[in-house]
Formats: sequence, structure tokens, C-alpha cells
Amino acid sequence: RKEVEQDPGPFNVPEGATVAFNCTYSNSASQSFFWYRQDCRKEPKLLMSVYSSGNEDGRFTAQLNRASQYISLLIRDSKLSDSATYLCVVNGGGSYIPTFGRGTSLIVHP
Amino acid sequence: DAGITQSPRHKVTETGTPVTLRCHQTENHRYMYWYRQDPGHGLRLIHYSYGVKDTDKGEVSDGYSVSRSKTEDFLLTLESATSSQTSVYFCAISPDRGEKLFFGSGTQLSVL
Repeated sequence: RKEVEQDPGPFNVPEGATVAFNCTYSNSASQSFFWYRQDCRKEPKLLMSVYSSGNEDGRFTAQLNRASQYISLLIRDSKLSDSATYLCVVNGGGSYIPTFGRGTSLIVHP
Repeated sequence: DAGITQSPRHKVTETGTPVTLRCHQTENHRYMYWYRQDPGHGLRLIHYSYGVKDTDKGEVSDGYSVSRSKTEDFLLTLESATSSQTSVYFCAISPDRGEKLFFGSGTQLSVL
């Protein structure tokens, strides 16, 4: 089992839709979690950190469920510009080595 | 945006030749990482550094070496490039372990 797993998608949604992605992790000692966005052939860029209490940034909401070992990203009122690949990152155990999921592809259509 | 520069941006080379990729940062961050990204595999860690002359292996380190003689520079060397090392290479930095990462623009390497 991979350390960090994501559904690759693609998730194909109309503009204005709400869409959610999950990311599961295997190391229960993981300490920090992030969501990144990657556009085609570009570098990943930080979207948001994920805090234990959950956090929101505009249309984006991130949550952490330690009991079930997953993090989630909710996007409300999807825009065409949200089309991208969303990567989750987990820093696990004592080494804190950041491990990436393979990413979830989102396509928002008119 | 974080001050992080990768060079070269594109490189075409032949099998068996040595290749060095450079990552330069102006943020004085302690941690630096080299990842490769391939279709179907996502981003995989090659090597990372937690200080000058302090480096360690990642998930896919075979065939790669690194050096960090200054805080700002992290070099990735392919001693004898192989076609399986054709990939997009990303450098990333972070101020401390467990912190968010900032990425360079990437290097597209083709080994023919």
C-alpha cells in the first residue's frame, strides 16, 4: 500500500459545482498536511495547509480526519480556472520527509 | 514567490554522459529537496538536504548523487545518464522539516 493515496480522477464537473477530493495516508504518526495545485507542465504551488480543526480559504475548505487517516479538500462554486491537478502532501513520522500523492485531476467545464 | 531557481530549464543528453542540475535559493531555507515527476508515478523524492554537507537518500536515489556546499545551492548529479532518467526534475525548499514546500520551475531532462 502506498503511503499516500489519491483517486487520480479525472473529476469532470460543471462550473458552479461543489467537488471534494480525499487523500488517505498510512503513517499514523504523520504530523503535517498540505494541498498543492499543479497546472499542466508547471511546478506545484501551495494551495493550503490542513489543520486539525479544519480550515477554509475562500471557496476552499480542507479537513483532517486523524482517526480514519485522511485529509479532504472541498471546492465550492467551481471555476474554469480551478481545472488542475491537486496533490496532497503528508509529512510522516520522525523523519518528516514530505510524501506526495499521485494527484487528482479536476476538469471544470462550462 | 520564493526565490528559487533551477538550471538548466531544459537539457537533452546522451546515454552514459554525466549531467548536473542546479538548484539555487535566496531564501536561506534549511531544507532542500530533489524530486522527479513521471506520468503514473507522481512526485518521487530523490535526495534531500537538511543543511550544508548534510544530505540523505529518498525513495528513488539509485543513479543519483547530490552535494550541498553552500546553503543556497543544491546540486543533483547523474553520473552516467540512462534513458530511465528522462523526467521532469523539481527542486523544492522549506524553512524547516514538516513545513510547506516551495518549488522551482523544473528541469525537463531527456536522455537519448
